[in-house]
Amino acid sequence: AQSVTQPDIHITVSEGASLELRCNYSYGATPYLFWYVQSPGQGLQLLLKYFSGDTLVQGIKGFEAEFKRSQSSFNLRKPSVHWSDAAEYFCAVGATSSNTGKLIFGQGTTLQVKP
Amino acid sequence: NAGVTQTPKFRVLKTGQSMTLLCAQDMNHEYMYWYRQDPGMGLRLIHYSVGEGTTAKGEVPDGYNVSRLKKQNFLLGLESAAPSQTSVYFCASNYRGGRSSYNEQFFGPGTRLTVL
Repeated sequence: AQSVTQPDIHITVSEGASLELRCNYSYGATPYLFWYVQSPGQGLQLLLKYFSGDTLVQGIKGFEAEFKRSQSSFNLRKPSVHWSDAAEYFCAVGATSSNTGKLIFGQGTTLQVKP
Repeated sequence: NAGVTQTPKFRVLKTGQSMTLLCAQDMNHEYMYWYRQDPGMGLRLIHYSVGEGTTAKGEVPDGYNVSRLKKQNFLLGLESAAPSQTSVYFCASNYRGGRSSYNEQFFGPGTRLTVL
């Protein structure tokens, strides 16, 4: 069965600093991978997704993620964090063998940005 | 386009009461999903539907029922609410396109439910 682990429950970074949020997945083949962001009191918004091809994926709001098959990871990065990036971030995985579009979400990482 | 909307936004129930949460989408999406979000547990799939008239169980279906009588609506029912069902409920929809069913899931704003 698929699973997703986000090892960091809470991360604090200073505004302007770089950011990396970790995501590890468990799946027998190459899965479809997603990062979503949730601002307080809001629904989830897609940041980026990986299906195949180039392992470095660009998303919205200046975020990028790199798929590393050997490490079963899909870490999210941003070179310079803005105060508006404070939110909860979810990594999700979908089974390539499925025709339902179902996703398995990680536990989430809360990002706090210090001024 | 309103996207995905959820009704109500907030609700307080007493143990044993019943209620229905409504999800509506105006994007003509085939797939719809109900999740619950609890602190430290991410989003967990309750039920989902791959088309009008079809539903299936997700990861945590016990205590919930669903119906998809119209393509644009996906209803989540609690027949006898329990305190363990206190949560934030999110609906999402997705379109079937290309070679994959894995396109972006669009989320509603959520319903915060408290069961006393």
